[in-house]
Amino acid sequence: DQQVKQNSPSLSVQEGRISILNCDYTNSMFDYFLWYKKYPAEGPTFLISISSIKDKNEDGRFTVFLNKSAKHLSLHIVPSQPGDSAVYFCAASSALSSGSARQLTFGSGTQLTVLP
Amino acid sequence: KAGVTQTPRYLIKTRGQQVTLSCSPISGHRSVSWYQQTPGQGLQFLFEYFSETQRNKGNFPGRFSGRQFSNSRSEMNVSTLELGDSALYLCASSTQNGLAGDTQYFGPGTRLTVL
Repeated sequence: DQQVKQNSPSLSVQEGRISILNCDYTNSMFDYFLWYKKYPAEGPTFLISISSIKDKNEDGRFTVFLNKSAKHLSLHIVPSQPGDSAVYFCAASSALSSGSARQLTFGSGTQLTVLP
Repeated sequence: KAGVTQTPRYLIKTRGQQVTLSCSPISGHRSVSWYQQTPGQGLQFLFEYFSETQRNKGNFPGRFSGRQFSNSRSEMNVSTLELGDSALYLCASSTQNGLAGDTQYFGPGTRLTVL
């Protein structure tokens, strides 16, 4: 059972336009969400995160929105650049027990292609 | 600060052999997690170590094991390699203070090919 889902395996956007990547989750215990960017044969690079007590977090061209009631988060990239072309993973974190380990559960990723 | 480092970056082994992968976390990070990435299964959690103890384990067979040293460096071992073990193995480190907001930072990965 996939607890974190990215239903769009790919997305193409024109340079300068907005890219919107979506992610849905089912586990209400998730309290921290992250987006990672990944190039082939490299490790994921942390992009931006959001706590469940917030509904929006911005960092430069990247904004993450969280809708807890819908169990949905999205990553907006404005303006999109060709260098943003990569696979984007959303991940959700929950505490396994009080004050202890936290585990990341990843979505399957979305390949973003920004066309020049 | 230096990032997470993993060695070797590439490995080629044959079925039945065993392999050991190494990970050095970001300085000050005491938690190391290991993930396997394959085209079909995405990023799957293997296990997590904190202060030399395995605190959490994913759904992988016992052929996959790990350990952590007192300096937080970690090794992962896969015994009796199978063709399906070919994957990118990723290590991530964090402070793992148990609080929301604890971010995992990934190394570049080790690409293992089993022939």
